[in-house]
Amino acid sequence: EAGVAQSPRYKIIEKRQSVAFWCNPISGHATLYWYQQILGQGPKLLIQFQNNGVVDDSQLPKDRFSAERLKGVDSTLKIQPAKLEDSAVYLCASSPGTVENYNEQFFGPGTRLTVL
Amino acid sequence: GQNIDQPTEMTATEGAIVQINCTYQTSGFNGLFWYQQHAGEAPTFLSYNVLDGLEEKGRFSSFLSRSKGYSYLLLKELQMKDSASYLCAVITRDYKLSFGAGTTVTVRA
Repeated sequence: EAGVAQSPRYKIIEKRQSVAFWCNPISGHATLYWYQQILGQGPKLLIQFQNNGVVDDSQLPKDRFSAERLKGVDSTLKIQPAKLEDSAVYLCASSPGTVENYNEQFFGPGTRLTVL
Repeated sequence: GQNIDQPTEMTATEGAIVQINCTYQTSGFNGLFWYQQHAGEAPTFLSYNVLDGLEEKGRFSSFLSRSKGYSYLLLKELQMKDSASYLCAVITRDYKLSFGAGTTVTVRA
């Protein structure tokens, strides 16, 4: 079974520029998550989708971050404009169950963003 | 807010046993995960506890005490490849997964 795919793997931008990340979850997984992992810290949930609806985006800095999951499959996460403190690894994860029927999350390899 | 504490670093010798403790104070509890994360890689699932007690899976075991808000991950017969960060994560009442900062384990020959 193919795992969670993410691209790009690495991205370097200057502050105030825009950037987008892409995630393709495991086929058939209903729930998709975006996490931000700053060096030396655990992943922090940014947004959670169930199919193509947003379940939780309470920790998403909505003034600069946006995400969508069209057709309930692939998802994109955008930052516009980027700040220095956005430098982190952005992890996408998917889970086969619904939010209430909790299952193990499967993580993609992540996108390492460096903002200069 | 969620509070999940685990030691920052641990060092052990190849073939030894290491126990990584995790204490948590969260808004509700629906289960606890342990993940392994090698440097530059994604977290991978190790164990899941929702009831009190010990879950054993090969060289790795995980223990949970809900009344004490406490879990540990036990790594036996350490191998060099076990050098990684180990993340404790709690599923809270609203079914969110909250992670600790991780424990970096270094295995020495």
